[in-house]
Amino acid sequence: DSGVTQTPKHLITATGQRVTLRCSPRSGDLSVYWYQQSLDQGLQFLIQYYNGEERAKGNILERFSAQQFPDLHSELNLSSLELGDSALYFCASSVDIGWETQYFGPGTRLLVL
Amino acid sequence: AQTVTQSQPEMSVQEAETVTLSCTYDTSESDYYLFWYKQPPSRQMILVIRQEAYKQQNATENRFSVNFQKAAKSFSLKISDSQLGDAAMYFCAYKQGGSEKLVFGKGTKLTVNP
Repeated sequence: DSGVTQTPKHLITATGQRVTLRCSPRSGDLSVYWYQQSLDQGLQFLIQYYNGEERAKGNILERFSAQQFPDLHSELNLSSLELGDSALYFCASSVDIGWETQYFGPGTRLLVL
Repeated sequence: AQTVTQSQPEMSVQEAETVTLSCTYDTSESDYYLFWYKQPPSRQMILVIRQEAYKQQNATENRFSVNFQKAAKSFSLKISDSQLGDAAMYFCAYKQGGSEKLVFGKGTKLTVNP
């Protein structure tokens, strides 16, 4: 158990819908990262927040957005869902930025029908 | 852009034997970090081992060790005394110093035969 929690574990929804994925980092960690794992794209970095501020952006679609709250939990919002958004979404956290190791949560499996 | 290549989509090993998983990466940077993550059937991503590029000594964690060849841009993972619980997907990952994202390879599926 890495100490990073993600809810829900599984999510099934329909095309066009909007969902919110939630992540709680390890105690003391200030940095949160979101990754998407799909069969065709592999593991891809989406976005990072550090102490409430967006710090880095990767291959995140405009339909996706994220935020980190004052209690340091983070939410990833996915809207206008398409079949291709079906994937495993991971949250990771680290104490600080830079060289710190990222510890991953168990992931949320999203299925868009 | 940095890329990470794992040339072995699948590997198998007999229980108690040793196996080596390959990873190469492409970068022009000198400050970076390399990681191996394990993803068992539960899908959890578990850190196995990490290596700082500035360190010449190869990292070890119990039965897991790496062979870091900086000039060759190679970062292989050796698993000694393989156990059934080692069966998983193994991902090699690169992180540039000053950058926040991990760049992952496609993964190697390791099967451990009893």
